[in-house]
Amino acid sequence: GAGVSQSPSNKVTEKGKDVELRCDPISGHTALYWYRQSLGQGLEFLIYFQGNSAPDKSGLPSDRFSAERTGGSVSTLTIQRTQQEDSAVYLCASSLTSGGSGNTIYFGEGSWLTVV
Amino acid sequence: KQEVTQIPAALSVPEGENLVLNCSFTDSAIYNLQWFRQDPGKGLTSLLLIQSSQREQTSGRLNASLDKSSGRSTLYIAASQPGDSATYLCAVRPGGGGNKLTFGTGTQLKVEL
Repeated sequence: GAGVSQSPSNKVTEKGKDVELRCDPISGHTALYWYRQSLGQGLEFLIYFQGNSAPDKSGLPSDRFSAERTGGSVSTLTIQRTQQEDSAVYLCASSLTSGGSGNTIYFGEGSWLTVV
Repeated sequence: KQEVTQIPAALSVPEGENLVLNCSFTDSAIYNLQWFRQDPGKGLTSLLLIQSSQREQTSGRLNASLDKSSGRSTLYIAASQPGDSATYLCAVRPGGGGNKLTFGTGTQLKVEL
């Protein structure tokens, strides 16, 4: 597709279960970001991938969160042993590059996670 | 630490009005600033990106300005329409083109018939 694609669009899970969220960036985009948006809160940076470089994981809130990007394209965000405070919208974004010429960042529709 | 503030938090205007949304940031060492809109239950849609060397950008009825030294950006919407109703977010990228955008908490706009 033409835009950033995320799945699932909605996920309800029980506390303690693991979840995987998938992001398919725009074709050709080397930079990929994960953000989290909690109810009534601003967007919180989680992790960033740029090409084959080591990811910037500095925004991950705990070791229950991890992400990988295979083949420089699709990314998966994994949350282990989910807790209720993990309930949020997880937004993926991509851009042609990072910094450099200041490229526009394009977001997906988000994965709405509810932990019950 | 960069902090981004958007005022007002919510705004309601009648259709046809011109309006200005404000974004301020504490650290003027930014690389660029981007405005987004977010519709309920949706992701973010990019509206305009202004690089630090630029003063403004225009797209249709939208005009974004940037005054880096004073830490301010405005988004001007001309002849507002009900379809403009959404939450508007600004985000700054740190100087040097770092990875983390810092977002404001947004202005929720409602344009009434």
